[in-house]
Amino acid sequence: DSGVTQTPKHLITATGQRVTLRCSPRSGDLSVYWYQQSLDQGLQFLIQYYNGEERAKGNILERFSAQQFPDLHSELNLSSLELGDSALYFCASSARTGGGEQYFGPGTRLTVT
Amino acid sequence: GQSLEQPSEVTAVEGAIVQINCTYQTSGFYGLSWYQQHDGGAPTFLSYNALDGLEETGRFSSFLSRSDSYGYLLLQELQMKDSASYFCAVGGAGNMLTFGGGTRLMVKP
Repeated sequence: DSGVTQTPKHLITATGQRVTLRCSPRSGDLSVYWYQQSLDQGLQFLIQYYNGEERAKGNILERFSAQQFPDLHSELNLSSLELGDSALYFCASSARTGGGEQYFGPGTRLTVT
Repeated sequence: GQSLEQPSEVTAVEGAIVQINCTYQTSGFYGLSWYQQHDGGAPTFLSYNALDGLEETGRFSSFLSRSDSYGYLLLQELQMKDSASYFCAVGGAGNMLTFGGGTRLMVKP
């Protein structure tokens, strides 16, 4: 158990809908990262927050947004969902801003039908 | 941008030694990490190299050569439970990670 929690574990929704994925980092970790993992794209970095502020952005679509709240939990919002958005979405956290070590949550499996 | 290359699949027998290579091209390099992911599970951190040389953690070792933009993960005394995907990842500013495509390791009895 990494100490990172994600909800929900599974989500099935229809095209055009909007969903929110939630992540609670390990106690004390200030950085939260979101990744998308699909079969053909591997693990893709989406966005990073550090202590409530956006720190880095990867290949995140404009239909996707995220935020980190004062209690350090984070939410990833996916809107106007398309079939291709079906994937595993992982949240990770780290205490440091360097060192290459991140702790991953169990993931949310999103299926868009 | 950043790109990483690693073999897509490796097969080895129980008790053997296997090396998974990773080459990278990056505009900003802070270090090379390795992660293990079992089917249906989350990636788990294995090791991190910021400087050239070998880092050993039990049966796993990781090597980095910054001048060659190359690293590898060495797994010794392979066990069936080591069957998983292994990802190298380049660290950038703020600990942002760019992952390679992953190497699927199959350990056979």
